[in-house]
Amino acid sequence: DAKTTQPPSMDCAEGRAANLPCNHSTISGNEYVYWYRQIHSQGPQYIIHGLKNNETNEMASLIITEDRKSSTLILPHATLRDTAVYYCIVKGAAGNKLTFGGGTRVLVKP
Amino acid sequence: DAGVTQSPTHLIKTRGQHVTLRCSPISGHKSVSWYQQVLGQGPQFIFQYYEKEERGRGNFPDRFSARQFPNYSSELNVNALLLGDSALYLCASSFTGAESPLHFGNGTRLTVT
Repeated sequence: DAKTTQPPSMDCAEGRAANLPCNHSTISGNEYVYWYRQIHSQGPQYIIHGLKNNETNEMASLIITEDRKSSTLILPHATLRDTAVYYCIVKGAAGNKLTFGGGTRVLVKP
Repeated sequence: DAGVTQSPTHLIKTRGQHVTLRCSPISGHKSVSWYQQVLGQGPQFIFQYYEKEERGRGNFPDRFSARQFPNYSSELNVNALLLGDSALYLCASSFTGAESPLHFGNGTRLTVT
């Protein structure tokens, strides 16, 4: 599975949009981009995933560049409860092995 | 709907002992995976099971084993515990579709003394 690169940390103001970048320049054509977050002492929570089209659900939006080498997770209106470590993961269609990197530690401030 | 449930939530063991951790997947999910998360790091893949068969294994010693039952629940066993086995053990379940996302439980916190 392709490796991902994320900034180690970022701050966001409560009520504002949070844009979390992820680079995956070696992604293959059949690999998906998944986003998870982990709040302290809890298991990772699935947020969203996509292949090449932009995706939106009740939690977030995922924007994937046309060349698929990078993506952005958008939390439209960040709340204090969105403070967590966010992981961007690239995974092929086969198997359930998720390779977690360091993630981005997001701190939402009042 | 009930999510992935794991038991126990916390456990303290002594070096050399063995431990069994349990996981019940989300209803309808047939695939179960296990991950180890050491403090300060991201989760590391240990096993995947589907239809009671091992479908994937991470870089863990043979002291780690698992099985899946006909009701799709799963157990993770660790023998001859070492201090370094202290970690949060996470179970995740999913549908069998190729892109189906994994859904994680809140884990079992194992402390080896």
